[in-house]
Amino acid sequence: ETGVTQSPTHLIKTRGQQVTLRCSSQSGHNTVSWYQQALGQGPQFIFQYYREEENGRGNFPPRFSGLQFPNYSSELNVNALELDDSALYLCASSLVSGSPETQYFGPGTRLLVL
Amino acid sequence: AQSVTQLDSQVPVFEEAPVELRCNYSSSVSVYLFWYVQYPNQGLQLLLKYLSGSTLVKGINGFEAEFNKSQTSFHLRKPSVHISDTAEYFCAVSVLTGTYKYIFGTGTRLKVLA
Repeated sequence: ETGVTQSPTHLIKTRGQQVTLRCSSQSGHNTVSWYQQALGQGPQFIFQYYREEENGRGNFPPRFSGLQFPNYSSELNVNALELDDSALYLCASSLVSGSPETQYFGPGTRLLVL
Repeated sequence: AQSVTQLDSQVPVFEEAPVELRCNYSSSVSVYLFWYVQYPNQGLQLLLKYLSGSTLVKGINGFEAEFNKSQTSFHLRKPSVHISDTAEYFCAVSVLTGTYKYIFGTGTRLKVLA
């Protein structure tokens, strides 16, 4: 059983650019959640996908969007990057969406916006 | 609205001494409680969770936590810490707001001193 993986590990972009971050969920998990962790802060919920549909969203603007694919992989897309988007982005997978199941986190992608 | 408070941003403790990391939450609905650990440059790893039942929960690496509903607390304890326990510890609540999502505290940095 493989764990949650994310790519790339690090990324540098400039303000106004677009970025795509990728996540491969743990095998069999049908739910993926994305979190933003700013330096010195706890992770903040961005959104969750369940069976390829968005299933909840945190307080993030529409320029944060996502996709989930049938093979358990998912993407986080951020358009029109801002300096404050610099953070560690974590994805977490879990088995079901209708109960407080344990979420399994990947190692994260560290994004720096210049 | 739900929230999680970790009052101690840093906790230094000598090796083999006991430690308690404090977590208080605020919620008007039933919550499910988690403690995660984050080692440098890594994702989050589940230490333990409380969903229901016994209020004393035992986790990995010798950690335990006690759910106290009247005090809305879920403090994490370890009777004897090791150097390898040096890490960031996050308390989180899982609440149902359309979907189950985690709300994290700001974290407590545990530094174990030799």
